[in-house]
Amino acid sequence: GAGVSQSPSNKVTEKGKDVELRCDPISGHTALYWYRQSLGQGLEFLIYFQGNSAPDKSGLPSDRFSAERTGGSVSTLTIQRTQQEDSAVYLCASSLIGIGANVLTFGAGSRLTVL
Amino acid sequence: AQSVTQLDSHVSVSEGTPVLLRCNYSSSYSPSLFWYVQHPNKGLQLLLKYTSAATLVKGINGFEAEFKKSETSFHLTKPSAHMSDAAEYFCVVSGENQGGKLIFGQGTELSVKP
Repeated sequence: GAGVSQSPSNKVTEKGKDVELRCDPISGHTALYWYRQSLGQGLEFLIYFQGNSAPDKSGLPSDRFSAERTGGSVSTLTIQRTQQEDSAVYLCASSLIGIGANVLTFGAGSRLTVL
Repeated sequence: AQSVTQLDSHVSVSEGTPVLLRCNYSSSYSPSLFWYVQHPNKGLQLLLKYTSAATLVKGINGFEAEFKKSETSFHLTKPSAHMSDAAEYFCVVSGENQGGKLIFGQGTELSVKP
């Protein structure tokens, strides 16, 4: 596609429920990244995919968070048993290949509110 | 390990005056450095990037940044602020062998007064 697409754009859920956030990267981009932006904070790295494998998942906050990528394309970030502190904007980005000089293209984000 | 420190959480300038947003980095490797901008309710947009070529990097909308290795700095400047420049600006570092992972600073909110 022309850009990185994320869905849903907004999600309101109750504490304890599971949520899934979807990212559709730019076609042909092999590297995919998930970040989290809490209110008034910078961007916090969560996980990075190269193809379907995740060489770096060091930023996942707890075992309630997981992510997968299939077919080297779409990725899903799953948060189980959501807590209020999970409320944030979850941003996905992709790049052609995962090297330092590459530019990441970001999606518009999925805003999660946990009541 | 890489890190970035944005020295000001908020900067306010008058329209037509110069803009200076300060950033210091820490990196064990030769870093790639970026500035991204985030306008309210919009996605992140790349302003400019440094990848070991020219130390003075020109970006979009009249912004530029200078890489100074001796000072470990990568400050963002613009000669004359415009109202449309009001946004959140992030200084970002990416190092070798990091898979392209970006490390973001905490951000500087730029306000532009008429």
